[in-house]
Amino acid sequence: KAGVTQTPRYLIKTRGQQVTLSCSPISGHRSVSWYQQTPGQGLQFLFEYFSETQRNKGNFPGRFSGRQFSNSRSEMNVSTLELGDSALYLCASSLGGTEPTRGYFGPGTRLTVT
Amino acid sequence: DAKTTQPTSMDCAEGRAANLPCNHSTISGNEYVYWYRQIHSQGPQYIIHGLKNNETNEMASLIITEDRKSSTLILPHATLRDTAVYYCTCRGGGSQGNLIFGKGTKLSVKP
Repeated sequence: KAGVTQTPRYLIKTRGQQVTLSCSPISGHRSVSWYQQTPGQGLQFLFEYFSETQRNKGNFPGRFSGRQFSNSRSEMNVSTLELGDSALYLCASSLGGTEPTRGYFGPGTRLTVT
Repeated sequence: DAKTTQPTSMDCAEGRAANLPCNHSTISGNEYVYWYRQIHSQGPQYIIHGLKNNETNEMASLIITEDRKSSTLILPHATLRDTAVYYCTCRGGGSQGNLIFGKGTKLSVKP
């Protein structure tokens, strides 16, 4: 079965602009989680969506937002970009039920803010 | 969620077993131990998870101590392709959100 896809894979933006990243989970998966990875802070959790509802949220400013559609695809948006937002943005797809289950990560979107 | 502590780096000879330790002394009763690895600039890859019994799959074995305060991931016959950063994390339930990854262990498999 197809894996998690993220688009675009690479993106260059200018400070002050906004950006939208997309994640398509594995078919049948209802949970999508977003993570930011930087060399200094490592992997940090942004938010999780399950059945179109935000279920968990990390400690990021309100400039970071997300949503999930009825087909489980998710988007995250970053407004008013700052240089520090340059990072690898990863999404993870999972069934999302109450039983522990593995997560499948996508290849990530590499965002560079200049 | 429990905080985890792992060594910063480890070396292993190709073909030998790699034993990666993780301390999670504050783990709660309903939290599972998950292991992921990340090969340079790729998305993390799930390896294995467990609650209290030892677990084995095609990739690795997971040994959890009886008090559940620590665990060891074992790669039985390490290859050069196993060179990666290995993350141990704890989470309750089925959610993959809010996984706290820490710095992980950089495993270098050498010929």
